[in-house]
Amino acid sequence: KNQVEQSPQSLIILEGKNCTLQCNYTVSPFSNLRWYKQDTGRGPVSLTIMTFSENTKSNGRYTATLDADTKQSSLHITASQLSDSASYICVVSDRGSTLGRLYFGRGTQLTVWP
Amino acid sequence: EADIYQTPRYLVIGTGKKITLECSQTMGHDKMYWYQQDPGMELHLIHYSYGVNSTEKGDLSSESTVSRIRTEHFPLTLESARPSHTSQYLCASSETGTGGYEQYFGPGTRLTVT
Repeated sequence: KNQVEQSPQSLIILEGKNCTLQCNYTVSPFSNLRWYKQDTGRGPVSLTIMTFSENTKSNGRYTATLDADTKQSSLHITASQLSDSASYICVVSDRGSTLGRLYFGRGTQLTVWP
Repeated sequence: EADIYQTPRYLVIGTGKKITLECSQTMGHDKMYWYQQDPGMELHLIHYSYGVNSTEKGDLSSESTVSRIRTEHFPLTLESARPSHTSQYLCASSETGTGGYEQYFGPGTRLTVT
């Protein structure tokens, strides 16, 4: 069964600190993995997208890593800001589907305190 | 910022009423999707469309129906709303092709049925 598991479920950090969010998946055949940021009451917005051959990708203070062998990904946030408070969702796509089927994790709820 | 719009953003309605949630995109995408999301839970696909006059049910059973008469428009209808329909509904669109093209999400409609 294709699944995406994220940890931790929630995280509280102080402004300026770094944090790392984890994602494990069992989706096969694998196409790509995305990290989305979803602010409360809004739709998800893509942060990074990684294919099988990519190990790391950065987008400003966000750095995603992918280990396709162990089927794990992480999202590292550097020098957190209050605006980083949101849910971060790991999304994996399978390769064989013409639909471009996405498998969603439940997200990690990040709260940044001043 | 994705050019995909949803109205209304918030809706509180009584049991038994008929409602239509609107979704439109100006990116010319053929594929469109409806997801349902409860607090702290993953997104569940309830409907999708490959293009005009194409609609399919998703993974999660839903009493709602959809139509796709125009490329840019993908409305979702509930003939008789019930409290169990209370949820957030997210619309998305993507380009055509295999392998999981990025889906762009609208801001969502928060539906409450009393």
